[in-house]
Amino acid sequence: DAKTTQPTSMDCAEGRAANLPCNHSTISGNEYVYWYRQIHSQGPQYIIHGLKNNETNEMASLIITEDRKSSTLILPHATLRDTAVYYCIVRVEVNYGGSQGNLIFGKGTKLSVKP
Amino acid sequence: DGGITQSPKYLFRKEGQNVTLSCEQNLNHDAMYWYRQDPGQGLRLIYYSQIVNDFQKGDIAEGYSVSREKKESFPLTVTSAQKNPTAFYLCASGGRHTDTQYFGPGTRLTVL
Repeated sequence: DAKTTQPTSMDCAEGRAANLPCNHSTISGNEYVYWYRQIHSQGPQYIIHGLKNNETNEMASLIITEDRKSSTLILPHATLRDTAVYYCIVRVEVNYGGSQGNLIFGKGTKLSVKP
Repeated sequence: DGGITQSPKYLFRKEGQNVTLSCEQNLNHDAMYWYRQDPGQGLRLIYYSQIVNDFQKGDIAEGYSVSREKKESFPLTVTSAQKNPTAFYLCASGGRHTDTQYFGPGTRLTVL
């Protein structure tokens, strides 16, 4: 699985958009980009994932560059409850009959949303 | 409610004692995972299981053991052979054909 690089920490004002970058320059064609977050002392929570196209759900938007070497997770209106560590992970999507292994979590980006 | 549960939330043990952490899910997921997290660090995989009665070692399996006798349950035993057992332990489950994993609330183990 490709390695990812994320900033160690970021701040965001409450109500503003939080844009969290992730570099994955060695990503291969069949690897997806996944985002999880972990609020202090809780288990990680799945946010969103994508392959090539931009994706949006009720939690966030995922923008993937055309060359797929980087992506940005966007929280459109950050709240204090969005303060967490955000993890960007790239891996091959599981196919039927293939091995299903772990998600490799790095240190992530600590996002602090301030009033 | 559907979900994944871990118990207890906090656990204290004396050095040299084995301890078993519970993980149960009612999501009908085939795969289950155990991760360890140390302060300020990412998650590291201990063991995973793709199907009942089968499990595989992860990156840091030494000093740990697991069983998967039922689809819903994947208990982790921290043995006395684990040199640094104090950590936050996270259990996760996932469907057979997806990489989306759902995590439990975690168990914080402290060995005195």
